[in-house]
Amino acid sequence: AQSVAQPEDQVNVAEGNPLTVKCTYSVSGNPYLFWYVQYPNRGLQFLLKYITGDNLVKGSYGFEAEFNKSQTSFHLKKPSALVSDSALYFCAVRDMGAGNNRKLIWGLGTSLAVNP
Amino acid sequence: DAGVIQSPRHEVTEMGQEVTLRCKPISGHNSLFWYRQTMMRGLELLIYFNNNVPIDDSGMPEDRFSAKMPNASFSTLKIQPSEPRDSAVYFCATSGGGGGFELDYNSPLHFGNGTRLTVT
Repeated sequence: AQSVAQPEDQVNVAEGNPLTVKCTYSVSGNPYLFWYVQYPNRGLQFLLKYITGDNLVKGSYGFEAEFNKSQTSFHLKKPSALVSDSALYFCAVRDMGAGNNRKLIWGLGTSLAVNP
Repeated sequence: DAGVIQSPRHEVTEMGQEVTLRCKPISGHNSLFWYRQTMMRGLELLIYFNNNVPIDDSGMPEDRFSAKMPNASFSTLKIQPSEPRDSAVYFCATSGGGGGFELDYNSPLHFGNGTRLTVT
């Protein structure tokens, strides 16, 4: 079955330190992978996506993510965290395999807290 | 670009009342999605439209829920009658704009700021 796991409900990191928000997925075909961020009382905002090509993708606000096919992971990273990065982060995958309905499957979210 | 516009931002109603949530998509986007977000279940896709046509409403929880998209500029999600368990944040999201007729799987979603519904 198609699924997305964000194994950490919460991640805490000090400002200036690197951050990682983890995402693993399970699909039968090729994955299209997305990261979104949600600030309080706002809708989700697109950060970056992996469709094909280079495994390292760069997105908004200095975030990047690495697609790892063997580990079926797509972890979100940033070299130096800012307090303003504190938010809820969602990973989503679309299973592009033949015969699949290709709906976006969402993780449950990871709350990132960056401490000054 | 004003983005996806949802109204109202907050809605408080009593059980049994009809609730109508509204969404104005980004101009040129041909796909529109209604999501519900709760702490317990996360993000749930309720229904989506492509070129104003409902494609998949399998996520609509019950017959009390209905959605329409009469034109490319407007969509509604209606709950009648409302129940306390419907309390959630409802999001409208749109995507597309690449000029194609089919659903653009590459295209990211653009979300509105949601309607927080409280049913007492």
